[in-house]
Amino acid sequence: GQSLEQPSEVTAVEGAIVQINCTYQTSGFYGLSWYQQHDGGAPTFLSYNGLDGLEETGRFSSFLSRSDSYGYLLLQELQMKDSASYFCAVRAPRRVTGGGNKLTFGTGTQLKVEL
Amino acid sequence: KAGVTQTPRYLIKTRGQQVTLSCSPISGHRSVSWYQQTPGQGLQFLFEYFSETQRNKGNFPGRFSGRQFSNSRSEMNVSTLELGDSALYLCASSSTTGGFYEQYFGPGTRLTVT
Repeated sequence: GQSLEQPSEVTAVEGAIVQINCTYQTSGFYGLSWYQQHDGGAPTFLSYNGLDGLEETGRFSSFLSRSDSYGYLLLQELQMKDSASYFCAVRAPRRVTGGGNKLTFGTGTQLKVEL
Repeated sequence: KAGVTQTPRYLIKTRGQQVTLSCSPISGHRSVSWYQQTPGQGLQFLFEYFSETQRNKGNFPGRFSGRQFSNSRSEMNVSTLELGDSALYLCASSSTTGGFYEQYFGPGTRLTVT
């Protein structure tokens, strides 16, 4: 099976940097994704790491270490609009799922940005 | 391009009834996945359809079923509703399947079972 753990809540001030961690246990692995979800909204894709290392997209960066079964999302220059829930998700490879787009999501981290 | 649309947005049903939810993917997308989101269980995968065929299925009872039409629109059905089925049901579309492809989520259908 697959399970992913994230902190339930993180609080930071506007302009700061925050890191949201994700540790996973999977029977197979095919990359780590991150999604953002505002209250009452739909999850939106932020980033994907298929290989070890850092991926940067504007103020957001995501890191993956497959040997440590660990990844994180880094948010820089925090803005009030970044207050949302953040989910990491894994997709198992074909040999595990038989193919397809099944995502297993983490428990989610609620980020609160304060003035 | 128009995004993923889901209808209805809100629904109230009584225990024992059945319900059908609809999802229209982004034009050109052939994969539609369904997820259930609850405060206690988080986001859980229900099933995925690609070219009218079910590709994957999550760990949900047989009361949960789905289908996909030739135009890629998808429906999911829940029969004999239980109180625990109250949740936000999200569908996500993707251009194809089998590799990493970004999934685009719809706004969801909020189902309340009384």
